[in-house]
Amino acid sequence: SQQGEEDPQALSIQEGENATMNCSYKTSINNLQWYRQNSGRGLVHLILIRSNEREKHSGRLRVTLDTSKKSSSLLITASRAADTASYFCVPSSPMGKSTFGDGTTLTVKP
Amino acid sequence: SQTIHQWPATLVQPVGSPLSLECTVEGTSNPNLYWYRQAAGRGLQLLFYSVGIGQISSEVPQNLSASRPQDRQFILSSKKLLLSDSGFYLCAWSAKRVEQYFGPGTRLTVT
Repeated sequence: SQQGEEDPQALSIQEGENATMNCSYKTSINNLQWYRQNSGRGLVHLILIRSNEREKHSGRLRVTLDTSKKSSSLLITASRAADTASYFCVPSSPMGKSTFGDGTTLTVKP
Repeated sequence: SQTIHQWPATLVQPVGSPLSLECTVEGTSNPNLYWYRQAAGRGLQLLFYSVGIGQISSEVPQNLSASRPQDRQFILSSKKLLLSDSGFYLCAWSAKRVEQYFGPGTRLTVT
């Protein structure tokens, strides 16, 4: 299994601004997933992007994938206080095991 | 629709006591099941995963064990808890090689 590494570790923005989080990984993947975790809660799956896709949208979320650079980004547009959470990227292992990094902690100030 | 349950939600146990955390999934058959542990402010550490009844793979050597007595039931156990076992334990399920769905977690404090 491999682990995604999120950057930055922490991000603080004002409500209404856009938030961009980056993810890097080391080996080839089948797909990459982004999850959100509100403090003290379980994780929620946000979006999955396959290795043959370059960009995917879901509501205010936009995910990009650059397999040549082994990187992905998650953009949250027009952020809200409710977006405050930790965000994890998970590159998919061929064995189906997913390893989570330490995530990016996003704080959206009202 | 599928639902995943975990209990208890919180647990305070003394060092040396046994542990049993239960996870059940509804609405799907033959899921992959996972146990993770999360330290405060950190990512998730995969402890065990299972692709079928009685099939358990351990990722990290420790004094924990897991069992899958039924298709949609996953149990995390310990015979004697250590202080270092404190953390947030998450169970998750997935269809084969797709996204995972997490339970609400159990916060374990070993005193």
